[in-house]
Amino acid sequence: GAVVSQHPSWVICKSGTSVKIECRSLDFQATTMFWYRQFPKQSLMLMATSNEGSKATYEQGVEKDKFLINHASLTLSTLTVTSAHPEDSSFYICSANQRESGELFFGEGSRLTVL
Amino acid sequence: GQNIDQPTEMTATEGAIVQINCTYQTSGFNGLFWYQQHAGEAPTFLSYNVLDGLEEKGRFSSFLSRSKGYSYLLLKELQMKDSASYLCAVSDSNYQLIWGAGTKLIIKP
Repeated sequence: GAVVSQHPSWVICKSGTSVKIECRSLDFQATTMFWYRQFPKQSLMLMATSNEGSKATYEQGVEKDKFLINHASLTLSTLTVTSAHPEDSSFYICSANQRESGELFFGEGSRLTVL
Repeated sequence: GQNIDQPTEMTATEGAIVQINCTYQTSGFNGLFWYQQHAGEAPTFLSYNVLDGLEEKGRFSSFLSRSKGYSYLLLKELQMKDSASYLCAVSDSNYQLIWGAGTKLIIKP
C-alpha cells in the first residue's frame, strides 16, 4: 500500500531553536498534505492544510509564523517549528491525499520535546 | 457547529466482542473513517464507510447510518493487542476530516 514517511521520528531540542519535520509520500503523488498535532490523551488537531505550490491554509488559533509549512513538490511537505518553546512539545503527524484515489495515508508521526 | 461524539473509555475481556459507537453532526458528509491508534504511534486506517450498512473486514466491522448520523466499530475475538484508542472521523463537505476525541479500549485477560 501507499506509504507516507515522516522524519525525524524523535527530536529533542533546546528552547529557542527551530526544528524541521519532513513528510514524504514515497510511492504516490500527494496533492494535499495535512499537518496535525496531538497532545497526550487527546485527539488529533488539524493545524494546517498544505497544497503543492501554494500557501498553506492554517486552522484558527495556529500561528502561521511559528509553524512554517512548505509544500515544494507533490511528494514533500515540511513543517518548521520556529523558536520552539516547551509548550510546543507534542506529537506531530502528517497525512497525505493520494492524487488518484483521494485516499488518506498517515505518516508515522514525529515526537518533539523542547527542553 | 460540527461535532463527533464517542465514549471516552471502554473495557472488554479478551476473546469477547465490543462495539464502539460514534455519532456525528457535520456540515456535509463524504464518508466516515475509523482509525486505531496505539500510544505514541500515528493512527492506522481501519475502515471507511460512505454508504449505509455494514462493512466487514476480518475481526473488525464498521456500520453506518447516515440518516441517524451514527456509526459503530465492532471488534470480535478481542486480543490483548487490540488495546488502543479508536478514532472516529468524518469527512465533511470540504473533504476535511473532523475528528472525534477517541475511545480508549482496555482489554483484560
